[in-house]
Amino acid sequence: AQKITQTQPGMFVQEKEAVTLDCTYDTSDQSYGLFWYKQPSSGEMIFLIYQGSYDEQNATEGRYSLNFQKARKSANLVISASQLGDSAMYFCAMRGNPFSGNTPLVFGKGTRLSVIA
Amino acid sequence: DTGVSQDPRHKITKRGQNVTFRCDPISEHNRLYWYRQTLGQGPEFLTYFQNEAQLEKSRLLSDRFSAERPKGSFSTLEIQRTEQGDSAMYLCASSLVRTGENIQYFGAGTRLSVL
Repeated sequence: AQKITQTQPGMFVQEKEAVTLDCTYDTSDQSYGLFWYKQPSSGEMIFLIYQGSYDEQNATEGRYSLNFQKARKSANLVISASQLGDSAMYFCAMRGNPFSGNTPLVFGKGTRLSVIA
Repeated sequence: DTGVSQDPRHKITKRGQNVTFRCDPISEHNRLYWYRQTLGQGPEFLTYFQNEAQLEKSRLLSDRFSAERPKGSFSTLEIQRTEQGDSAMYLCASSLVRTGENIQYFGAGTRLSVL
């Protein structure tokens, strides 16, 4: 079984500062994928970034980067230069090997990020 | 707009009524997923399709729930004899399983309130 743990229910960050959102995972699969999604108050889940278990380099997408530490089973999201529009819920998720049917995502409980002007 | 589309966005119903939600995935995506999200929680998997075949159903999907994806295009999720515990956000996602990434893109969801 796969499990995602997000230990920070809420985080505050000053505008233009960087913030790290924590995520640890548990799985017995050798091949898996890790994802971060943003959910504004409107409800839509917006895909931010993906990291494959065999990727040697940390994923980056614009202001988002994923700090992947495989031995520690952690996949923290780093948001640089925070903007007011970054205020939202952030979910870490994982799935197993899609070619062996382990496709459904397992989500954590989320972290609510508030960016302060 | 070529993203995942869900209809309706909001649904209010009385306990015991049947409701049906629709999801239109990103064209050419072969997998379609349904998730349910209750207040303060992350989404939980309900079921998914590859083309028109329903490949997996969660134990959360009781007998009152049924999903279809005729012709491998849009999908419907029906809840019969709704209960107050069914009140939640129902999210649909689609993906293309051709590369290892298999990134799921979500719609805006249908928020169900059962009175």
